[in-house]
Amino acid sequence: GESVGLHLPTLSVQEGDNSIINCAYSNSASDYFIWYKQESGKGPQFIIDIRSNMDKRQGQRVTVLLNKTVKHLSLQIAATQPGDSAVYFCAENSEAGGTSYGKLTFGQGTILTVHP
Amino acid sequence: DAGITQSPRHKVTETGTPVTLRCHQTENHRYMYWYRQDPGHGLRLIHYSYGVKDTDKGEVSDGYSVSRSKTEDFLLTLESATSSQTSVYFCAISALMAQPQHFGDGTRLSIL
Repeated sequence: GESVGLHLPTLSVQEGDNSIINCAYSNSASDYFIWYKQESGKGPQFIIDIRSNMDKRQGQRVTVLLNKTVKHLSLQIAATQPGDSAVYFCAENSEAGGTSYGKLTFGQGTILTVHP
Repeated sequence: DAGITQSPRHKVTETGTPVTLRCHQTENHRYMYWYRQDPGHGLRLIHYSYGVKDTDKGEVSDGYSVSRSKTEDFLLTLESATSSQTSVYFCAISALMAQPQHFGDGTRLSIL
């Protein structure tokens, strides 16, 4: 899972394996969650999102699971490829309190390394 | 890729000088955001805009100002740069509130 600090969690997998990246979010009022992928020297790239009225959402090779009871989010990547190597982080949005811009709070990230 | 261009991509400047970073979008999205990304802090919101001439502060707005005179352009200004503002700055856009924000490739700013 993600944590605050200079040393990001890391996950190393072999090409073809499935990867699971975890994220614990902080605000029980958060109702929208996003996973991003960030490669070195680039901006965060949107992967998949999920709203709090869902427990699971699938995309191409990716699945996001949401457990609101324990405030936990996970990203599953099927058949991981070397091109999947990057930093992955989650973001949560709380519309409670009348925020006017959909404030996103970002996690620190997890470094995924895929070995050929 | 979302049509977001940040300029410059890299800049080195001295303490006390003014710096302006530009974000240009071709998506006609209403919302635009400026973030900074630092080790140990992740992405933190500096300022955002919810329309032309409509802007507001984020969580780390001290020392920064913004302007949005056109839908497509969002400028971030450091009036008098300090070394603590050395960072990577990202612009993001979204069509609607609580929709995915899409990011540019960032500006790496070093203040000596």
